[in-house]
Amino acid sequence: NAGVTQTPKFQVLKTGQSMTLQCAQDMNHEYMSWYRQDPGMGLRLIHYSVGAGITDQGEVPNGYNVSRSTTEDFPLRLLSAAPSQTSVYFCASSFRDRGQGVYEQYFGPGTRLTVT
Amino acid sequence: AQSVTQLGSHVSVSEGALVLLRCNYSSSVPPYLFWYVQYPNQGLQLLLKYTTGATLVKGINGFEAEFKKSETSFHLTKPSAHMSDAAEYFCAVRKFMDSNYQLIWGAGTKLIIKP
Repeated sequence: NAGVTQTPKFQVLKTGQSMTLQCAQDMNHEYMSWYRQDPGMGLRLIHYSVGAGITDQGEVPNGYNVSRSTTEDFPLRLLSAAPSQTSVYFCASSFRDRGQGVYEQYFGPGTRLTVT
Repeated sequence: AQSVTQLGSHVSVSEGALVLLRCNYSSSVPPYLFWYVQYPNQGLQLLLKYTTGATLVKGINGFEAEFKKSETSFHLTKPSAHMSDAAEYFCAVRKFMDSNYQLIWGAGTKLIIKP
């Protein structure tokens, strides 16, 4: 099993550009999520999905879109990049514990994004 | 409202000394609690978790944590630090929010090991 994979590992964008961060998992997990990690702030939830076709907003969703057309894939789109979106982005997946959401999460290696 | 508090953004211990990383949580229902470790330039990896049952849980790499309901704490310990333990450690609590459970994360504690 590859687990959770993310591409790219590094990306530099100019302000106003758009891009998609890719995330895939091969563990048949229903629950997937995107976090951003900034120094001293832990992990903040951007968007999550409890299954194919279902997505919802987390704590910091502004400026980001997601979709979940398959169980395996959960891409994150930056619509118009801003310097405030400079961060490390992690995708994670989990079994959906008794239909009630996240259990222990498995993380990808992260994407380090810089917006200039 | 803050749900997870990790005391100390940095903790420094000597190699061979006791490691103690503190985590306090707030939850109105019995919580699920997690400790994750992040090595430099890597993703997060589960160290251990508490769901129900025995309040002292053992994890990987010799770490353990004790759930103390009366103190709303879930502190992480290791009897003897090793250089390879240098990493950032995150505590998380599962909470029910907006019709689903989510993990709420502490700000993290960087563990520094002195030779």
